Amino acid sequence: AQSVTQLDSQVPVFEEAPVELRCNYSSSVSVYLFWYVQYPNQGLQLLLKYLSGSTLVKGINGFEAEFNKSQTSFHLRKPSVHISDTAEYFCAVSLKTSYDKVIFGPGTSLSVIP
Amino acid sequence: GAGVSQSPSNKVTEKGKDVELRCDPISGHTALYWYRQRLGQGLEFLIYFQGNSAPDKSGLPSDRFSAERTGESVSTLTIQRTQQEDSAVYLCASSLTGVNIQYFGAGTRLSVL
Repeated sequence: AQSVTQLDSQVPVFEEAPVELRCNYSSSVSVYLFWYVQYPNQGLQLLLKYLSGSTLVKGINGFEAEFNKSQTSFHLRKPSVHISDTAEYFCAVSLKTSYDKVIFGPGTSLSVIP
Repeated sequence: GAGVSQSPSNKVTEKGKDVELRCDPISGHTALYWYRQRLGQGLEFLIYFQGNSAPDKSGLPSDRFSAERTGESVSTLTIQRTQQEDSAVYLCASSLTGVNIQYFGAGTRLSVL
């Protein structure tokens, strides 16, 4: 069965500094990969997705992620964070053969310090 | 509406009471999911509906939990004889068939006293 690991439960970073949120997955078959963001007291919203093609994926709010098949990783990056990026970030994976089931990681809490 | 709507947004109940949570998915979305999110935790899958197929109930934690969906419309999640450990935010999401991009509601915050 597939699983998702987000090694960092909390990431504090100063405003305008770069950030990387790590995500690793385990699966024996091809997958779709997602990053979702959850702002305080809100539901989750899609930040970006990898379906196929270019391994570098750009999303909303200046975020991007790179799919690395050999390392089974899908790390999220932003070159310069803003206070408004403070939120919970969830990595998720679904199998291409069974796309209905999405497995979410435990989440990483990003805190941007002014 | 344009997005997934959940009601109520907050629910406070006494231990042992039954509660019913409602989810209105995006029109035309065939798939609907319920998740539980405990304070500071990730998402815990509860149940999944896809069109008229039998629902995937593999995530329901006990027989006190049940959910229904009529066709491709509203879904209700019912928790009977609530316990304090049921306190959490219950999130609903819907998606189109195909690549599973889920659209989430704002959730129902359930507090069991």
